[in-house]
Amino acid sequence: SQQGEEDPQALSIQEGENATMNCSYKTSINNLQWYRQNSGRGLVHLILIRSNEREKHSGRLRVTLDTSKKSSSLLITASRAADTASYFCATDRPPRGSTLGRLYFGRGTQLTVWP
Amino acid sequence: EPEVTQTPSHQVTQMGQEVILRCVPISNHLYFYWYRQILGQKVEFLVSFYNNEISEKSEIFDDRFSVERPDGSNFTLKIRSTKLEDSAMYFCASKFRQGSNQPQHFGDGTRLSIL
Repeated sequence: SQQGEEDPQALSIQEGENATMNCSYKTSINNLQWYRQNSGRGLVHLILIRSNEREKHSGRLRVTLDTSKKSSSLLITASRAADTASYFCATDRPPRGSTLGRLYFGRGTQLTVWP
Repeated sequence: EPEVTQTPSHQVTQMGQEVILRCVPISNHLYFYWYRQILGQKVEFLVSFYNNEISEKSEIFDDRFSVERPDGSNFTLKIRSTKLEDSAMYFCASKFRQGSNQPQHFGDGTRLSIL
């Protein structure tokens, strides 16, 4: 299976602290994406990192990718109560045949940020 | 910012009945997907669609499932002879084009409840 697996399953922090979530996967990938899901809502794309990239930033988000360890991390700096959500990593595999980049999701990390 | 729109937000259907879930992808996107998420579980791929045909489908997407792009804007998922285990959140996603730096954009989902 190629699914990403996040850890921890749940993370609880105070506002202003940093939150780090990790993702591991099993096979080669084309890219790795992080999504956020508020309770009962859809998946919001946060950031995509390609297999030839090692680090990427977007605002308060920092994503790293280590293809040798088949792992990625998502760091949210200076967290806010509004960051409370589930965070998922999703991987796709290199193109083969007619694959259109189906995504393989992990179970997610539930982040709670207390005011 | 353009977004993927799904209707209805919640669908309640008797077991054995047919249901159609509707999606309006982002207007200039060419690649379309359906995923589902059973409560408390991972987001799972169902099907990808391009150029008016299915590109790939998972083992979940059995012969009770079908997809259609009846016009230039809608993308539908039909489930015939619904079962209790079809109860889940169904997400539509779209992507502008193929390529390793293209994210999939998700709608807010349709919660399907089979009674």
